[in-house]
This record gives sequence, structure tokens and C-alpha cells, in this order.
Amino acid sequence: AQKVTQAQTEISVVEKEDVTLDCVYETRDTTYYLFWYKQPPSGELVFLIRRNSFDEQNEISGRYSWNFQKSTSSFNFTITASQVVDSAVYFCALHSGAGSYQLTFGKGTKLSVIP
Amino acid sequence: DTGVSQNPRHKITKRGQNVTFRCDPISEHNRLYWYRQTLGQGPEFLTYFQNEAQLEKSRLLSDRFSAERPKGSFSTLEIQRTEQGDSAMYLCASSARTGTSGVRDTQYFGPGTRLTVL
Repeated sequence: AQKVTQAQTEISVVEKEDVTLDCVYETRDTTYYLFWYKQPPSGELVFLIRRNSFDEQNEISGRYSWNFQKSTSSFNFTITASQVVDSAVYFCALHSGAGSYQLTFGKGTKLSVIP
Repeated sequence: DTGVSQNPRHKITKRGQNVTFRCDPISEHNRLYWYRQTLGQGPEFLTYFQNEAQLEKSRLLSDRFSAERPKGSFSTLEIQRTEQGDSAMYLCASSARTGTSGVRDTQYFGPGTRLTVL
């Protein structure tokens, strides 16, 4: 069975602070994919990143960075110098299991960036 | 390049009525997915189509739910005899079977249809 845990339900930071969103996953498969999505108040899920289980290199995209560690089954997401526009619910998701295409989502972390 | 579109965006219905939602995927995507999201939760998988074939269904998809993708393009999700517990956001996503490894099978979501059952 697959499971994604996002232990932080809500986080508030002051603008320009750095913030890290935690994601821990469970799967028995050796091949799997991890994702982060952003859901702003408008409701549409916006794709941010996809990583496969064989690529543990950290990734940076502008103010966003991701730290993938198989040893701890974690795929954490850091926003540097947060901005008000970063306020949203962020979901971590897992795709694993040959023949299955469903994503298993965590419950999400609501990030509020205060000006 | 347009994204995934869903109609209607909002639907209010009375308990016991039938409702139908439509999803139009990204044009070159042959894989289509339906999810349901309730307040404070992450999306939960309902069903998956590859072209017109429905290949995977969740146990969440009760007998009152039916999904179709008749010509492998748009899809419809119908809920019969709606119940208050069906109130949720219904999300559609699509993905491409081919492409670079960073793109293939990444699911792109539509804006969702918010259903309220009174």
C-alpha cells in the first residue's frame, strides 16, 4: 500500500522568510515517482515538480528547492524568501505500482505568507 | 495550448437528483483521471482511462457513479441519486503516454467542479 504523510497541517511565515514543507512517503515498490502540487485559493492544482526514485539529486527552480532522501523516505520542499503569492495549500503525491496510474496524495499543508 | 477544462464549475443539486460533469483533457493527452477532494483533504483517486478504455477504478467509485470516455477525448462523470456525502470538488486530470521522461505521465489538473448536495 502507498501512503503520503504531510505532518504540517498549517504553517504561517512572514514574507521573505524561508519555509520548508515536509513530506514522508511509504511504498514497497522500487520504482516510483514523487510530485508536489500547489493549490491556490482558486482551487486548481498546479504541477510543480516530479522526481523518480532513481534520481536523488536535489533540484532548485528559482526560489523553490526540493530535497529527496530515500534513506528517510522524504521529499521536502523549501521556499526561499517567501512571498504573499506563495500562500496556498501544497500537496505531496506518490505514484507507484506497476499497472496503476493513480496518485496518492497527502492531506496537504496550508501555507500562509503574511506581508 | 489550453489546459484541462471542466464544466460546470459549480453545481448545486437536491438529494436524489442525478448530476453529470464534463472534462476536456489537454488535446494530445490520451490518459484521463477523475479524483474527488473533500474539504481539508487531498484528492482521492476515482478512475482512470487510457483512450476510451476504463482501466482502473477505485473502491470509492460506488454503483451510483459512472464514468465514460466514448471517443477517447472528453469524459463525463455521472452521479445518480446524489447524497449529501457526495458534496465535494471533482477534479479531472490528463497526462501524455509519450514524451520526455519529465513530461510523460505527469498529471495536469483542471479547475474542478464543486458539487453541493442539499
